[in-house]
Amino acid sequence: DVKVTQSSRYLVKRTGEKVFLECVQDMDHENMFWYRQDPGLGLRLIYFSYDVKMKEKGDIPEGYSVSREKKERFSLILESASTNQTSMYLCASTGVDYGYTFGSGTRLTVV
Amino acid sequence: AQKITQTQPGMFVQEKEAVTLDCTYDTSDPSYGLFWYKQPSSGEMIFLIYQGSYDQQNATEGRYSLNFQKARKSANLVISASQLGDSAMYFCAMRDYYDYKLSFGAGTTVTVRA
Repeated sequence: DVKVTQSSRYLVKRTGEKVFLECVQDMDHENMFWYRQDPGLGLRLIYFSYDVKMKEKGDIPEGYSVSREKKERFSLILESASTNQTSMYLCASTGVDYGYTFGSGTRLTVV
Repeated sequence: AQKITQTQPGMFVQEKEAVTLDCTYDTSDPSYGLFWYKQPSSGEMIFLIYQGSYDQQNATEGRYSLNFQKARKSANLVISASQLGDSAMYFCAMRDYYDYKLSFGAGTTVTVRA
């Protein structure tokens, strides 16, 4: 069964902390994405990567960075967490077809 | 930039009835794909149906059908014979053919009543 695995389901962090959200896929997909989901706003793209060490900013990259050192792993980094980054974070991947696979999400609370 | 609009924040539907979820989109690219996803309270994103911009026929997948009106840039999802398990958030999404980025609408919450 193909999978996108996000390391944490729930996370509570303090303001100013550096936060790492990890995402691993086992489908050998080239493309990986990080979205945040907020009520009334849907899913908004933070960053995506179309190859190892390649990344592009999405619609809301401010306050975030990413790392993709290996094809299967795409990490989202909050350099200095703030309360307005409290949200649900979803990772996704896709290959050459139109199928997107999503992780189960990480609900991050910054206090 | 792409824009997806879902104007219905929430809907109630009676069990066994059909429901239509509205989605309009805006793109300047002639080649694109349209998706619908279901997100139950558990949070997982479940793919429902896909429509390519050059597909001649409306897509159907079981109880789901996509009413694609290209000239109006509309891609409404129709769920027939609603079931209690259809209660969820539904998202319309789009990608351009040469770009793997998927853009989402704000979503519509569907509640099915017994």
